[in-house]
Amino acid sequence: GEDVEQSLFLSVREGDSSVINCTYTDSSSTYLYWYKQEPGAGLQLLTYIFSNMDMKQDQRLTVLLNKKDKHLSLRIADTQTGDSAIYFCAERFSGNTGKLIFGQGTTLQVKP
Amino acid sequence: DTAVSQTPKYLVTQMGNDKSIKCEQNLGHDTMYWYKQDSKKFLKIMFSYNNKELIINETVPNRFSPKSPDKAHLNLHINSLELGDSAVYFCASSPGLAGGPQETQYFGPGTRLLVL
Repeated sequence: GEDVEQSLFLSVREGDSSVINCTYTDSSSTYLYWYKQEPGAGLQLLTYIFSNMDMKQDQRLTVLLNKKDKHLSLRIADTQTGDSAIYFCAERFSGNTGKLIFGQGTTLQVKP
Repeated sequence: DTAVSQTPKYLVTQMGNDKSIKCEQNLGHDTMYWYKQDSKKFLKIMFSYNNKELIINETVPNRFSPKSPDKAHLNLHINSLELGDSAVYFCASSPGLAGGPQETQYFGPGTRLLVL
């Protein structure tokens, strides 16, 4: 099936860690992505993880992948007000078309 | 330098009109995509082209016709616009379809279409 789900809203205080969760359905997905969308802007690629990895760290970002449970998470350490945005999880659909299936996006609100 | 650009950024038009949105990428990528983002921010693929060849054509009304004159351009023409076509349309490109990081998609800034 083609379904990626995320919680819709997360609110944190500046300096705290944020964890955004995502579940997906296509067990043959090879790559999973996190994109960030600021108000009125396009999607900015944040990071991606290959399906044979459990974890990937990139500065303040940590991606965890539990392939058994088809669960992906994005942790943002020391969250800043500039991190306020919508975060989209996406899985690369199986097949050779490049098709991405996106979650509905999680709005992250960072309070000063 | 803008990697993936779209024109226009905003488009307000009447029902029944025909309009086009243009997309250009200067990344040398082989593959280009059109996505639609609705008012609830849900993002769904519409089309993809690889080396000017149509690869993905999701269940999109045939009022929507993509055209790829060359690898660097993918335009979207919409006939007989309807109220439900109001959305943000994003163009994206990727190096190719070889799998792996080669498929990472880079998005344009979006075209906000409002049909009155």
